Amino acid sequence: DAGVIQSPRHEVTEMGQEVTLRCKPISGHNSLFWYRQTMMRGLELLIYFNNNVPIDDSGMPEDRFSAKMPNASFSTLKIQPSEPRDSAVYFCASRHQASQNIQYFGAGTRLSVL
Amino acid sequence: AQKITQTQPGMFVQEKEAVTLDCTYDTSDPSYGLFWYKQPSSGEMIFLIYQGSYDQQNATEGRYSLNFQKARKSANLVISASQLGDSAMYFCAMREGPRGSTLGRLYFGRGTQLTVWP
Repeated sequence: DAGVIQSPRHEVTEMGQEVTLRCKPISGHNSLFWYRQTMMRGLELLIYFNNNVPIDDSGMPEDRFSAKMPNASFSTLKIQPSEPRDSAVYFCASRHQASQNIQYFGAGTRLSVL
Repeated sequence: AQKITQTQPGMFVQEKEAVTLDCTYDTSDPSYGLFWYKQPSSGEMIFLIYQGSYDQQNATEGRYSLNFQKARKSANLVISASQLGDSAMYFCAMREGPRGSTLGRLYFGRGTQLTVWP
């Protein structure tokens, strides 16, 4: 069974550009999480969805960040406009509600904003 | 207050020896879960082991065991017979609320970098 799939694996962009990160959760999982990891702040939860509905977006840094989950098999995290301080590794994770709440992570997207 | 505290930024262990990575947690919820993840240099986050607050026995998964001391609010990871491939960052995490709760976010510690030397 395929794990959580994130794309792209690496993204380099210039300040001011729009960035879209994509995530395909594990089939049958009903919760999806977006995290950001930096050396300074560690692993931060940005937003999570349950049954495609956003439950907690209090970690989204500002209005430049938005996330959608149009269906159970796809989610996007968009940054518009991007800034150098957005440079980080962005992880997506999914979870099946009945499975001890174990979250399974994708390989991450390493974003560099120049 | 931090939900998860990992006080060891770095740990070193010789191959084939056992090592304990410390984790303390803070919650007033009687129902919670504790997790350990491994992040090798390649960057992915790998789930290792889980302990529920009501579990009577310490969790074990192969060479990994979780030393759960509820009264002390600690959930230390023990790796037995360390291997070179165990060199990685290790994160402790906690979920508050019942196992099937939709409010299932994880709180992560800052991690411990483990280096296994030959």
